[in-house]
Amino acid sequence: AQSVTQLGSHVSVSEGALVLLRCNYSSSVPPYLFWYVQYPNQGLQLLLKYTTGATLVKGINGFEAEFKKSETSFHLTKPSAHMSDAAEYFCAVRGFGNEKLTFGTGTRLTIIP
Amino acid sequence: GEEVAQTPKHLVRGEGQKAKLYCAPIKGHSYVFWYQQVLKNEFKFLISFQNENVFDETGMPKERFSAKCLPNSPCSLEIQATKLEDSAVYFCASSQPGSPYGYTFGSGTRLTVV
Repeated sequence: AQSVTQLGSHVSVSEGALVLLRCNYSSSVPPYLFWYVQYPNQGLQLLLKYTTGATLVKGINGFEAEFKKSETSFHLTKPSAHMSDAAEYFCAVRGFGNEKLTFGTGTRLTIIP
Repeated sequence: GEEVAQTPKHLVRGEGQKAKLYCAPIKGHSYVFWYQQVLKNEFKFLISFQNENVFDETGMPKERFSAKCLPNSPCSLEIQATKLEDSAVYFCASSQPGSPYGYTFGSGTRLTVV
């Protein structure tokens, strides 16, 4: 079974500051890990994913995440926040062979001008 | 097409009425998933299909919810005798078979039960 914990339901950062959204997972098998973004009244858009190989994964809109097996973490970062980054972010995990995605409860990112 | 098409975008039903939601997955994607999102928070998994076969239905409230994916037709999620607590956004997603790809999500159907 898999589970995801997102620390901090709300995160506020100033425009231009570092964005750090935390995600820890639990999985009984090697996981596939995902970050999705949801803008108001829209569906989910895939930001990035980790499957195998390089543990630092780069995604769209300048976001990246690092898979740390020893810490069971997959934190999302962006060096410099932009106003357009304001949205809800969801971390998700899937075990190999189990097609179901398990989501965290989301982190709402607010950008302060 | 390259998008998952969900219809309708909005649906309002009186308590006790039936609601039926539709999802057309991306061509070539053999897995279809339904999720329920309440209050813009948790995504609750409902059911998944591999082609027209149920793959995982562990999240389905079976007494009132049913779903189908028939050949050459959009997939459907049906709620009999809706309750106020069924008010949510229902998302459909599809993915390629046997791969570590992320899903492609539709834009959702907002169901309001009044």
